[in-house]
Amino acid sequence: DAGVIQSPRHEVTEMGQEVTLRCKPISGHDYLFWYRQTMMRGLELLIYFNNNVPIDDSGMPEDRFSAKMPNASFSTLKIQPSEPRDSAVYFCASTDRGAGDTQYFGPGTRLTVL
Amino acid sequence: QKEVEQNSGPLSVPEGAIASLNCTYSDRVSQSFFWYRQYSGKSPELIMSIYSNGDKEDGRFTAQLNKASQYVSLLIRDSQPSDSATYLCAGNGGATNKLIFGTGTLLAVQP
Repeated sequence: DAGVIQSPRHEVTEMGQEVTLRCKPISGHDYLFWYRQTMMRGLELLIYFNNNVPIDDSGMPEDRFSAKMPNASFSTLKIQPSEPRDSAVYFCASTDRGAGDTQYFGPGTRLTVL
Repeated sequence: QKEVEQNSGPLSVPEGAIASLNCTYSDRVSQSFFWYRQYSGKSPELIMSIYSNGDKEDGRFTAQLNKASQYVSLLIRDSQPSDSATYLCAGNGGATNKLIFGTGTLLAVQP
């Protein structure tokens, strides 16, 4: 399998613009997670899905953030409008609960909001 | 108390020595534990998982779990410069598949 795929790998945008991050989980995995990592706060869970249904979005910082998973092979994380403090690396991870709790991470998207 | 706590380091050890990384956790994180390694600019990758009290060995790596004292550790024997990375400890509350990560310990192995 190709592993978790994320796009874009790098995104530079200006404050106020809409940003959409994309993730393709490992085929057959039933859980998908979105994380944000910064030097100050470390790795934070934003939201996770089970079988395409959002289970816990308590980590989403505010209404500017939204996430969808229209099918088992695709998820998006959208920030609208973006702010400089959203600058971070955003990781997507997936797992097959039936095979254990190991989460497999994608390469991440480095977001810079100017 | 944070749910998962780690010393941020850096932890500096000479090549060939044993590196000992430690993590403590709260009652909310009590079932499964994971050690991830993250190289600079890369994504976390799983090193070890441990579910029950005691030691679990895999090559140069040994994970230790003590549920009574609420700590989990990772020992790296014969440390190599290529082991230099940030090591993230994570725990699972069990009812969900949600992992709680510590802030990571930076390990530097000196040649």
